[in-house]
Amino acid sequence: EDKVVQSPLSLVVHEGDTVTLNCSYEVTNFRSLLWYKQEKKAPTFLFMLTSSGIEKKSGRLSSILDKKELFSILNITATQTGDSAIYLCAALHSNYQLIWGAGTKLIIKP
Amino acid sequence: EAGVVQSPRYKIIEKKQPVAFWCNPISGHNTLYWYLQNLGQGPELLIRYENEEAVDDSQLPKDRFSAERLKGVDSTLKIQPAELGDSAVYLCASAASGANVLTFGAGSRLTVL
Repeated sequence: EDKVVQSPLSLVVHEGDTVTLNCSYEVTNFRSLLWYKQEKKAPTFLFMLTSSGIEKKSGRLSSILDKKELFSILNITATQTGDSAIYLCAALHSNYQLIWGAGTKLIIKP
Repeated sequence: EAGVVQSPRYKIIEKKQPVAFWCNPISGHNTLYWYLQNLGQGPELLIRYENEEAVDDSQLPKDRFSAERLKGVDSTLKIQPAELGDSAVYLCASAASGANVLTFGAGSRLTVL
């Protein structure tokens, strides 16, 4: 059965810290891995990763995919209180089905 | 460009009552998704449309849930009758055909009392 597992489930750090969120997947006919940030409303798109070893970067956020070991990480450096959110990863199947992880709840304390 | 629009944002009903949610996707997006999201969990797919055709409704509880996308644009998700366990956020998302990135609406939070 296809599945996506995120860890940790929750994380509390102080402003300025660096965090690493993990996403492992077991998906047949894998196409891509997507990261979303969810605050009080709907998930907003962060990154889509299709190739191994190529880091995607957006400001203080970066992400990379390892298709051999079947995982991805999302790094956030110099965290700010506005980074507090649930971070979701999803694996895209070749049939365009998205298999979602349960999310990592990140809390940044001032 | 307007994003994915959903309404209502919040709905409180008593069990056994019907409820309907509406979604207007991004213009030109042929693929439309309805997801259910429970607290602390990732979104679960209910139904996926390509234009007006439901191409994947295997996860839709068809005894009480129904959906339609008659003209291949707006979509409606209905629950009748609602049960306590249906309390959740109902998310609509859209994507261009064959695209991997979904854009989500703000969601409709349902509370069943």
